[in-house]
Amino acid sequence: RKEVEQDPGPFNVPEGATVAFNCTYSNSASQSFFWYRQDCRKEPKLLMSVYSSGNEDGRFTAQLNRASQYISLLIRDSKLSDSATYLCVVNMGGSYIPTFGRGTSLIVHP
Amino acid sequence: SQTIHQWPATLVQPVGSPLSLECTVEGTSNPNLYWYRQAAGRGLQLLFYSVGIGQISSEVPQNLSASRPQDRQFILSSKKLLLSDSGFYLCAWRAGMGEKLFFGSGTQLSVL
Repeated sequence: RKEVEQDPGPFNVPEGATVAFNCTYSNSASQSFFWYRQDCRKEPKLLMSVYSSGNEDGRFTAQLNRASQYISLLIRDSKLSDSATYLCVVNMGGSYIPTFGRGTSLIVHP
Repeated sequence: SQTIHQWPATLVQPVGSPLSLECTVEGTSNPNLYWYRQAAGRGLQLLFYSVGIGQISSEVPQNLSASRPQDRQFILSSKKLLLSDSGFYLCAWRAGMGEKLFFGSGTQLSVL
């Protein structure tokens, strides 16, 4: 089983739709969690951190479920510009190596 | 504020030629530094990381090497490039274990 798993998609949604991605992790000692956005042939950029209490940034909401070992990203009112690959990153306690999921591709169409 | 610089943006090299990619970080001290490679349509592959000057950990045996001659400088090298070395190379840094990771703008390497 991979340490961090994501549904690769693609998720193909119309503008204005709400879409949610999940990312599961296998190591219960994982301590910090992040969502990144990567556009084609560009570097990944930090979208938001993920906290146990959940956090929201405009149309984006991130949640952490430690009991079930997954994090989620909810995008409301999708825009064409949201089309990208979304990567989850999990930091295992005591490790210098951040663990990336393979990414979930989102395509928002008119 | 902290910034990360990576160059060049694109590079076309013949098979068998040497490689040197440089990455520098500003505005922080003793960062953890990383080199990743990404093949088209694929995920990120960690190549090397460093937690201090002269300290290099290799994740995947390959035709590449890395060095950290200064605290905020990370260099990826090869003596002889292979076709399979083509890809998108990304340098990244973070302040410490568990912290957010920040990426350079990447180098698209094509080996012909």
